[in-house]
Amino acid sequence: EAEVAQSPRYKITEKSQAVAFWCDPISGHATLYWYRQILGQGPELLVQFQDESVVDDSQLPKDRFSAERLKGVDSTLKIQPAELGDSAMYLCASGTVEAFFGQGTRLTVV
Amino acid sequence: EDQVTQSPEALRLQEGESSSLNCSYTVSGLRGLFWYRQDPGKGPEFLFTLYSAGEEKEKERLKATLTKKESFLHITAPKPEDSATYLCAANQIPIKAAGNKLTFGGGTRVLVKP
Repeated sequence: EAEVAQSPRYKITEKSQAVAFWCDPISGHATLYWYRQILGQGPELLVQFQDESVVDDSQLPKDRFSAERLKGVDSTLKIQPAELGDSAMYLCASGTVEAFFGQGTRLTVV
Repeated sequence: EDQVTQSPEALRLQEGESSSLNCSYTVSGLRGLFWYRQDPGKGPEFLFTLYSAGEEKEKERLKATLTKKESFLHITAPKPEDSATYLCAANQIPIKAAGNKLTFGGGTRVLVKP
């Protein structure tokens, strides 16, 4: 069964350091989402791609976050510099209609 | 403003005690309503899509229904393995972009005690 792959599963980083997350969507899915989920809350959209183009990054803190999806396949989300408040689960999803999620990256900023 | 609200925030059930979770939504251009299950430390797992008022979907002990303003997830005779957070999401036609726009509720944490 096809799955969305994310790495790493866990990441601990010091504040002011750079951190990057990787996502490989299900093959053939044009839409790719990056969500942030704080413990006890629902996921919040950071950025959405349609193929290689960003279609919604209105909630992405662009002073420190960046995302790319070169060639419209896998994607990278970067934070530089990381802040304590960035500690959360970062989820990648892909889909055509329904969105299917990966297992996420749990980020802890110390 | 587009909004999806889930209630209650948390639900404690005895094994076999049926209950319902609510997802109310105020969104424009609704294209569908999704339900997900999320286990601690894992990504959400897709359960159902509902497209129109009156539609129902079932999977094992779970049944999802949809009206024009809300959706319900009914858990019939739950077992401890049904313990999880249940998330709903409204799928909308975005104003300026292609694809879909998903807005999630805050989730309902369900604990089923044996």
